[in-house]
Amino acid sequence: SQQGEEDPQALSIQEGENATMNCSYKTSINNLQWYRQNSGRGLVHLILIRSNEREKHSGRLRVTLDTSKKSSSLLITASRAADTASYFCATGPNTNAGKSTFGDGTTLTVKP
Amino acid sequence: DGGITQSPKYLFRKEGQNVTLSCEQNLNHDAMYWYRQDPGQGLRLIYYSQIVNDFQKGDIAEGYSVSREKKESFPLTVTSAQKNPTAFYLCASSWGSSYNSPLHFGNGTRLTVT
Repeated sequence: SQQGEEDPQALSIQEGENATMNCSYKTSINNLQWYRQNSGRGLVHLILIRSNEREKHSGRLRVTLDTSKKSSSLLITASRAADTASYFCATGPNTNAGKSTFGDGTTLTVKP
Repeated sequence: DGGITQSPKYLFRKEGQNVTLSCEQNLNHDAMYWYRQDPGQGLRLIYYSQIVNDFQKGDIAEGYSVSREKKESFPLTVTSAQKNPTAFYLCASSWGSSYNSPLHFGNGTRLTVT
């Protein structure tokens, strides 16, 4: 089974609004990463947050990590139609297993 | 420009035939990965390789094979033993282990087996 689970599965908002998606995981992690996937394309890395960090920003993106609740959130502020995509979290385990585990993603639709 | 190239973009095969998907990177990354993605789902790891001439099975390796003879190349063969091969296949690379460094993805190969 997947380590990370995103919530909600789908989100539809108007351009200019903020979008928040969440990721929950089960076991201890070394880091958590967020990726974006446009339809029919590969994934693009957005942000990596380490287990000892609580918040990280990149442009209009803000990621938080709460290791006590085993959860993370991705906030996209002032959304644009171009933000329409699927967003995935990937968790890096706290072992030298050499691989991350992906959730099933949140599909975001931003209406112009 | 550095990146990962997957070819072809679309691939059609008859059931019972083996098919090889190409993945080439010029990022000088040590680690390479193959993932499978089914509609509306996340990525599942098929195989990964952290150095040349070495690779490990991922979560769903049955019916697949790989080789890593060169640092730049990590081809995936979908064999006739794979029960449900129709899917979107993504190749990725990273400078270190994926649990500690970002993955760089190609644009995928969509395989349809009939």
